[in-house]
Amino acid sequence: GAGVSQTPSNKVTEKGKYVELRCDPISGHTALYWYRQSLGQGPEFLIYFQGTGAADDSGLPNDRFFAVRPEGSVSTLKIQRTERGDSAVYLCASSFTSGGAAEQFFGPGTRLTVL
Amino acid sequence: AQTVTQSQPEMSVQEAETVTLSCTYDTSESDYYLFWYKQPPSRQMILVIRQEAYKQQNATENRFSVNFQKAAKSFSLKISDSQLGDAAMYFCAYRSAINAGNNRKLIWGLGTSLAVNP
Repeated sequence: GAGVSQTPSNKVTEKGKYVELRCDPISGHTALYWYRQSLGQGPEFLIYFQGTGAADDSGLPNDRFFAVRPEGSVSTLKIQRTERGDSAVYLCASSFTSGGAAEQFFGPGTRLTVL
Repeated sequence: AQTVTQSQPEMSVQEAETVTLSCTYDTSESDYYLFWYKQPPSRQMILVIRQEAYKQQNATENRFSVNFQKAAKSFSLKISDSQLGDAAMYFCAYRSAINAGNNRKLIWGLGTSLAVNP
């Protein structure tokens, strides 16, 4: 079946603009994760959804970042008033369950560049 | 807080040879999961192998195996018979086994870039 997909693949925006990044998880996966990967770094956790609710949003850096998953499938990461420091690859992952050693399946990421 | 350390930013190996990538972690928990992920230039993270901390036996997946030393908090990845397609960034990751919403995230190392020479 189809894997995790993310759109757009690349997004270039200007400082101060608003952006939305979309994630389509694998069908039937209840858990969805967002990570941010800066150049030369490992991914950093942003937020985790179990179904429609954000079970852990402790990784969101500030109130400019917000994410939703209204129907328990597709998720959108929203960034207001973008800053140059927001430039990174934003990775989305999903898993069938959040428990145990469940594998998180990753999408190809969205590369965000803030000029 | 848990941390994951990968002390080798870059490694190289000759095709068909064996290479070992190092990973250490710090935690006060007794039960957890450890993962190795591969990230090729396409950016898509692919799970290579996983280990449950309560299992003493080292995990093996074809040419990939781990050396899990719980007391030393070490989790190295061995790649045997290296192939050109193994060239990628390799990330070690930790996840708590505590059943709570704020423990589902993966905690990552900085990665090791592996080059495979023909």
